[in-house]
Amino acid sequence: AQTVTQSQPEMSVQEAETVTLSCTYDTSESDYYLFWYKQPPSRQMILVIRQEAYKQQNATENRFSVNFQKAAKSFSLKISDSQLGDAAMYFCAYRNYGQNFVFGPGTRLSVLP
Amino acid sequence: EAGVTQFPSHSVIEKGQTVTLRCDPISGHDNLYWYRRVMGKEIKFLLHFVKESKQDESGMPNNRFLAERTGGTYSTLKVQPAELEDSGVYFCASSQDTTAFGSPLHFGNGTRLTVT
Repeated sequence: AQTVTQSQPEMSVQEAETVTLSCTYDTSESDYYLFWYKQPPSRQMILVIRQEAYKQQNATENRFSVNFQKAAKSFSLKISDSQLGDAAMYFCAYRNYGQNFVFGPGTRLSVLP
Repeated sequence: EAGVTQFPSHSVIEKGQTVTLRCDPISGHDNLYWYRRVMGKEIKFLLHFVKESKQDESGMPNNRFLAERTGGTYSTLKVQPAELEDSGVYFCASSQDTTAFGSPLHFGNGTRLTVT
């Protein structure tokens, strides 16, 4: 069965600095999607960024980018120029065809002013 | 467009009681999912509807949990009788396309269930 691991239960970053959240996963599949979701306090979980395994180029969305290392089964999220609004729980997720999403335990990110 | 809505946002019940959670997916989304997060742990899959049919209910923990989606619109998740270990946040999510497995989930705010 696929598993997703986030080894950092909590992280903090200074406002305007850069932070990287780690995620590793286990799968024997070759084609799949990886996602980062963000859940701000008392608010909905929203999609931050996604990456298809067949694409070698790392996905980027404004200040958010990923470092996808397929061979190492690693999918880290980099947040540049951190803002107070980035404070949230971040969940890494995996999905392959015919399967449901598999989520990691989450990383709580604090942004310090 | 309206997002995924869940009701109630919080529920506190005693062990042995019954609770029903409701989820209204985004209009037009055939896929509806229920997930649960126990404090500090990963978000775990419970089940998946495609329209009114249960596509996958492999994550349902036991027969105390009953999910329905009559008419393929909103869904309910009933826990009867509730046990202490059922406490957690129950998330509902919907998505548009079953075949495109890169299609993201749209989540509701979740229902925080506390069983005392």
